[in-house]
Amino acid sequence: GQQVMQIPQYQHVQEGEDFTTYCNSSTTLSNIQWYKQRPGGHPVFLIQLVKSGEVKKQKRLTFQFGEAKKNSSLHITATQTTDVGTYFCAGTTDSWGKLQFGAGTQVVVTP
Amino acid sequence: DTAVSQTPKYLVTQMGNDKSIKCEQNLGHDTMYWYKQDSKKFLKIMFSYNNKELIINETVPNRFSPKSPDKAHLNLHINSLELGDSAVYFCASILTGGETQYFGPGTRLLVL
Repeated sequence: GQQVMQIPQYQHVQEGEDFTTYCNSSTTLSNIQWYKQRPGGHPVFLIQLVKSGEVKKQKRLTFQFGEAKKNSSLHITATQTTDVGTYFCAGTTDSWGKLQFGAGTQVVVTP
Repeated sequence: DTAVSQTPKYLVTQMGNDKSIKCEQNLGHDTMYWYKQDSKKFLKIMFSYNNKELIINETVPNRFSPKSPDKAHLNLHINSLELGDSAVYFCASILTGGETQYFGPGTRLLVL
């Protein structure tokens, strides 16, 4: 079955530094979504990528979808303490939008 | 004003008990989901309903039985609770064709 792998599992970042989290699927995806979950909170939708090679930006966040639609990345520049949380990628392959979540990257920001 | 709400927020119970958790959304969505998030934060889909019809039923023990009385509600009943059922259960909803799943605040279940 479809598997979505996400690395790294943990990311310790100094405030102001950049970091990237990567997502890889064993199968071609229809689309990929990214979510952020703050400690003690619930997943919150960030963005959806649909097209091969698509790149989208949200302020300091840059999202990419690979050409083969099997991998994706989230790059955060100039990390801030508000970026703390777990970032999940989630891919779909069916029309019902069933999301297969990656294991998440837990981000800790050191001031 | 809450878009997706869940009750209860916390649930502590003994092994072997039966419990229900409820979800309601006021977004006018037609598809609702139950997810389980374990202690390692891994999120796994359990069930999905579209217009009260079950469309996704992952490999979940028969002790878990979802029910959708209408489009705005999706409940989860769990029989004979086991220690391994301890987790955070999230409800989510989406409008068919939309891209954003909205998650509820979660129900933190602890089985002793």
